[in-house]
Amino acid sequence: EVQLVESGGGLVKPGGSLRLSCAASGFSFSTYSMNWVRQAPGKGLEWVSSIGTRSNYIYYAVLVKGRFTISRDNAKNSLFLQMNSLRAEDTAVYYCARDKEGRVRGVPGMDVWGQGTTVTVSS
Amino acid sequence: QSVLTQPPSVSGAPGQRVTISCTGSSSNIGAGYDVHWFQQLPGAAPKLLIYGNNNRPSGVPDRFSGSKSGTSASLAISGLQAEDDADYYCQSSDINSLGGRVFGGGTKLTVL
Repeated sequence: EVQLVESGGGLVKPGGSLRLSCAASGFSFSTYSMNWVRQAPGKGLEWVSSIGTRSNYIYYAVLVKGRFTISRDNAKNSLFLQMNSLRAEDTAVYYCARDKEGRVRGVPGMDVWGQGTTVTVSS
Repeated sequence: QSVLTQPPSVSGAPGQRVTISCTGSSSNIGAGYDVHWFQQLPGAAPKLLIYGNNNRPSGVPDRFSGSKSGTSASLAISGLQAEDDADYYCQSSDINSLGGRVFGGGTKLTVL
């Protein structure tokens, strides 16, 4: 079964750090580009970051650039998001998501999603 | 404000057809970039519903269809069913967001 399982969320104080992990199984992880997408309570989806198959490209949303770092370990079928200098507005459910294979004009859709991990930034 | 604009809510009775619009600009949809649609059921993770403007992943009923014209895209749902009650999001690329994905603000579909 194709699956993504996030972990590492929790309660952290403003200015603190957290490292999210996403374990992939059931597919050849190293051949897919990956993403982090977040959803604040009661709000819509917000793209956070993307990484290429061999970390050959990395992109960040403006709101997290310089504070968050995406990385992957293809040998361990894992995706990571290191979050530093956390702010209250970073409070959200964080999803990891796989890019769909195939030709596309622009960026692909995301065809596999994890169940999400909740990050709460509060004093 | 989201780069892509969706109506906050739409509704329809079982069996009816509804459409959800996704309005962009010349820097995203109008630039020729593909549009993808996601369905998010209450308390669940998003699910890819339509990719590449009008393609359905395996397992998605043909009641769901997508289209694109100019700077806008639309998701149509025919033969509405109670289980279609969910949030729907469009997503595309944008010239001003290097490598980034841009989402619409989401539309809540209520099946009456």
